[in-house]
Amino acid sequence: DAKTTQPPSMDCAEGRAANLPCNHSTISGNEYVYWYRQIHSQGPQYIIHGLKNNETNEMASLIITEDRKSSTLILPHATLRDTAVYYCIAPTNFGNEKLTFGTGTRLTIIP
Amino acid sequence: GAGVSQTPSNKVTEKGKYVELRCDPISGHTALYWYRQSLGQGPEFLIYFQGTGAADDSGLPNDRFFAVRPEGSVSTLKIQRTERGDSAVYLCASSLGGYAYNEQFFGPGTRLTVL
Repeated sequence: DAKTTQPPSMDCAEGRAANLPCNHSTISGNEYVYWYRQIHSQGPQYIIHGLKNNETNEMASLIITEDRKSSTLILPHATLRDTAVYYCIAPTNFGNEKLTFGTGTRLTIIP
Repeated sequence: GAGVSQTPSNKVTEKGKYVELRCDPISGHTALYWYRQSLGQGPEFLIYFQGTGAADDSGLPNDRFFAVRPEGSVSTLKIQRTERGDSAVYLCASSLGGYAYNEQFFGPGTRLTVL
């Protein structure tokens, strides 16, 4: 798996956009970038994934740089329920293989 | 619909005992995963099943850990001669399987405490 680097923690004001960065400078051409989050005392939850184009779904947007060495997860209007640990993952095998979680970014939404 | 369920939600045992943790995946999901999460860490992969067979068991820490999925649905993670270091939350996930990417759906986990 490509090594990913995330800041250990971030704060964001409620209602503002939360921008979570991830560096994956060793990512190879066929490795996707996945984002999961884990709310306290729950199992991780899938958010979004992408290869090289920007992606958007009902939860978030994913912006991947042209060189694919970094990406940003954007929660457009953060709510208190978005407080969680966010994991950026770039597994070697596309599809149904193991996910290698790091320590992620602990995002705290401030009321 | 029903998500991934895990039982028990909490298990306290004594060092040296045997424990079984159960995972009921989402109906129709052929892929099933076990992870372990220690306090303050991200989940750590243990084993992956595609159908009834273990496709990747490279994350099992030692031979005290074993998992089965005899009918391709429910899975049981078995830990023999438990040690205090086995204390963690054990997470199960399932996905549709196949060759395309399918997100993994996680259960709430079983918190194992070895005294």
